[in-house]
Amino acid sequence: GNSVTQMEGPVTLSEEAFLTINCTYTATGYPSLFWYVQYPGEGLQLLLKATKADDKGSNKGFEATYRKETTSFHLEKGSVQVSDSAVYFCALSDQGTNAGKSTFGDGTTLTVKP
Amino acid sequence: EPEVTQTPSHQVTQMGQEVILRCVPISNHLYFYWYRQILGQKVEFLVSFYNNEISEKSEIFDDQFSVERPDGSNFTLKIRSTKLEDSAMYFCASSVSGGVNEQFFGPGTRLTVL
Repeated sequence: GNSVTQMEGPVTLSEEAFLTINCTYTATGYPSLFWYVQYPGEGLQLLLKATKADDKGSNKGFEATYRKETTSFHLEKGSVQVSDSAVYFCALSDQGTNAGKSTFGDGTTLTVKP
Repeated sequence: EPEVTQTPSHQVTQMGQEVILRCVPISNHLYFYWYRQILGQKVEFLVSFYNNEISEKSEIFDDQFSVERPDGSNFTLKIRSTKLEDSAMYFCASSVSGGVNEQFFGPGTRLTVL
């Protein structure tokens, strides 16, 4: 079956530090890959996505590149802000026979200190 | 911008009681989903729904759960006899089509079973 593995958290960084959150996946078909962000007390918001190999998703300074050869979709940001403090979920959606259900990683809690 | 809405935002119930969680998906979307997030844990798929029937369900979605689209706008999740372990955040999501397309998530309903 499908699975998503994220680096364990929590991650604590100082403002303007470089962020990497690792994500690797296992899928039977050709998945689309997503990063979602969950701010405290809120729901899930799509941060960025990539639908095929070598695609780069980007939004709000965050980037992730779909690497089929390493089955990875690592999230990066060059300079984090306090407002980026949240839980980040890597997810995949595989067309297969799964009617598009999403499989999520465990989530990584990011805390950015001023 | 269209969004998925969910009501109520917080539901408290006694063990053994029935609850209905309501969702209004984005109007032109055809696929609907329920996910669950137990506090501090990953987001888990419950069920997907298309063309007025269940497309796929997880092992979590046992006989105490049911879904319905009673009219053209609402999508409901019913838990017939709640258990303590049903306490979680329940997210509704919708997408234009299944497969690898982006799912749009609602803000969630926090269910507390006492």
